[in-house]
Amino acid sequence: AQRVTQPEKLLSVFKGAPVELKCNYSYSGSPELFWYVQYSRQRLQLLLRHISRESIKGFTADLNKGETSFHLKKPFAQEEDSAMYYCALDSVGSSYKLIFGSGTRLLVRP
Amino acid sequence: NAGVTQTPKFQVLKTGQSMTLQCAQDMNHEYMSWYRQDPGMGLRLIHYSVGAGITDQGEVPNGYNVSRSTTEDFPLRLLSAAPSQTSVYFCASRLTGDMNTEAFFGQGTRLTVV
Repeated sequence: AQRVTQPEKLLSVFKGAPVELKCNYSYSGSPELFWYVQYSRQRLQLLLRHISRESIKGFTADLNKGETSFHLKKPFAQEEDSAMYYCALDSVGSSYKLIFGSGTRLLVRP
Repeated sequence: NAGVTQTPKFQVLKTGQSMTLQCAQDMNHEYMSWYRQDPGMGLRLIHYSVGAGITDQGEVPNGYNVSRSTTEDFPLRLLSAAPSQTSVYFCASRLTGDMNTEAFFGQGTRLTVV
């Protein structure tokens, strides 16, 4: 079964500290993974997708097939990074479903 | 550019009442879906559609109905509201044909069932 696990409900760091939001997945094929973010009072939006190998707002995420992980990292956290972060997995076949993890709230303290 | 529009933003229902949450998108996306967001449980898929006339169940479909008569609209109906359906509901749409397309979300509907 396809599944996304985000083990941390809350991650609290100080401004300038490194951040790593964990995401593990279970999937039998080649996964397509995303990170979505929800800032306070805003709608959920795409942060980055693994296939693009991009860095958005200083965040990067590397797919590790051996560990079935797609952790989100940023070397120096900013207060404006405080938000809810969701890891998501594209489903098998042609249904185009996105399977989301339970989310991690990142709190960056001044 | 409206994107995905949900109405209403807030709703309070009594147990047993029915209502329809509206979702419309103007991006000509084939795929539309409904999620509910609950603390500690993330986003769970209720129903989805890959095109007009085609719908399917997601992870938590019980108590909800959907239909897709047009590409633009994907309403979610609560047949007989229960307190367990108190949640924030999100509608999303995306293009099909490519597994890496971005999903666009509405602003959410906060529903309370008393």
